[in-house]
Amino acid sequence: DIVMTQSPNSLPVTPGEPASISCRSSRSLLHSNGNNYLDWYLQKPGQSPQLLIYLGSNRASGVPDRFSGSGSGTDFTLKISRVEAEDVGVYYCMQGIHTPRTFGQGTKLEIK
Amino acid sequence: QVQLVQSGAEVKKPGASVKVSCKTSGYSFTDYPIHWVRQAPGQRPEWVGWINVRTGVPDFSQQFRARITITRNTSASTAYMELASLRSEDTALYFCAREGARSWNPDYWGQGTLVTVSS
Repeated sequence: DIVMTQSPNSLPVTPGEPASISCRSSRSLLHSNGNNYLDWYLQKPGQSPQLLIYLGSNRASGVPDRFSGSGSGTDFTLKISRVEAEDVGVYYCMQGIHTPRTFGQGTKLEIK
Repeated sequence: QVQLVQSGAEVKKPGASVKVSCKTSGYSFTDYPIHWVRQAPGQRPEWVGWINVRTGVPDFSQQFRARITITRNTSASTAYMELASLRSEDTALYFCAREGARSWNPDYWGQGTLVTVSS
């Protein structure tokens, strides 16, 4: 199975400051069609995961433009340009190119 | 709007089976696969399996292959996941989720169904 590793595990951030989360895959997520099959989700307390970024760098519908995704192959990054209080929760990366799908261990973002 | 509404919480004894339903609305049911993901308390989500809703062909994570069934009823726009031979480690929140139009991962998720396995 593909192993997904995120860093850091915990991320305390002051509102208005930027934040960055790294996700590494044990195998390439780059398909021959040119897409990177890596998605980012935010799971707020007591809620289902919500899609933020798909195919590595595409914002899902309704996601604020302060969220951005980048990377290719095995290394990916989620950036929040200016953290807001509503951004608290656990962020997961998930690979979609191989079965079984696998998730990173999560990064818990909290407000300082 | 796209909605996935799951059945209610279940409490089962070890060795029993549980069947969770996922009723969808707001889109063409047969156009998108449905994934099942579970999440034990305090753990990362774990992919269980998925079903090609158009063909009815499922696929599963190897660890569940011997005891899981994923089906769908196209006339009811509903998917089902049944897990047999339950053990305490199966206690988790079980989610159904629709696969995205471009990505091969879920975009819309159900609210989750808590399955508790306890003697």
